[in-house]
Amino acid sequence: DAKTTQPPSMDCAEGRAANLPCNHSTISGNEYVYWYRQIHSQGPQYIIHGLKNNETNEMASLIITEDRKSSTLILPHATLRDTAVYYCIVSSGSGGSNYKLTFGKGTLLTVNP
Amino acid sequence: GAVVSQHPSWVICKSGTSVKIECRSLDFQATTMFWYRQFPKQSLMLMATSNEGSKATYEQGVEKDKFLINHASLTLSTLTVTSAHPEDSSFYICSARDLGDKQYFGPGTRLTVT
Repeated sequence: DAKTTQPPSMDCAEGRAANLPCNHSTISGNEYVYWYRQIHSQGPQYIIHGLKNNETNEMASLIITEDRKSSTLILPHATLRDTAVYYCIVSSGSGGSNYKLTFGKGTLLTVNP
Repeated sequence: GAVVSQHPSWVICKSGTSVKIECRSLDFQATTMFWYRQFPKQSLMLMATSNEGSKATYEQGVEKDKFLINHASLTLSTLTVTSAHPEDSSFYICSARDLGDKQYFGPGTRLTVT
């Protein structure tokens, strides 16, 4: 299974962009990059996912490098409610063998007022 | 967005008893559901994959006779913790996978075994 590496913690000022990096140098060609976040004592929340193109939705943007060995999740205007643990996960789609989401330790993002 | 519910949200039971936790996908059908466990200050650990109409697939080290999983319909999976012990106290979270390969997670069930 492809593994990911994330910094254990990051701080961000409220209203500024939060850029969360993730390394996944062993990612396979059919594996997607997923981002989830978990606010304390809640279930994880889906944020975004992508294969090789950059993606954007109402929550965030996902920038994947051309060699797909790393990616960055961007929260354009962080708020206090974005304080959470952010997980970067690589997984294949349902047609692939590694369709399970395996959670690492993630990055604790703290948004400060 | 898609919603996954869990019931109960928290439960306290005595050692030796069994507890059933329900996971429902409210507005979509899920042929595959997953069960996770999370201990304090740790990440989620996948316990098993639940497939509608077939037996669950358990991760290494998870006792299938202790954690019974039933996926009787496309919107419901249940996890039964049998003969619970205090070390089974944990946060149990389910997720459901939609046809677009996104997984949606339930709010979790806090189990305390006394």
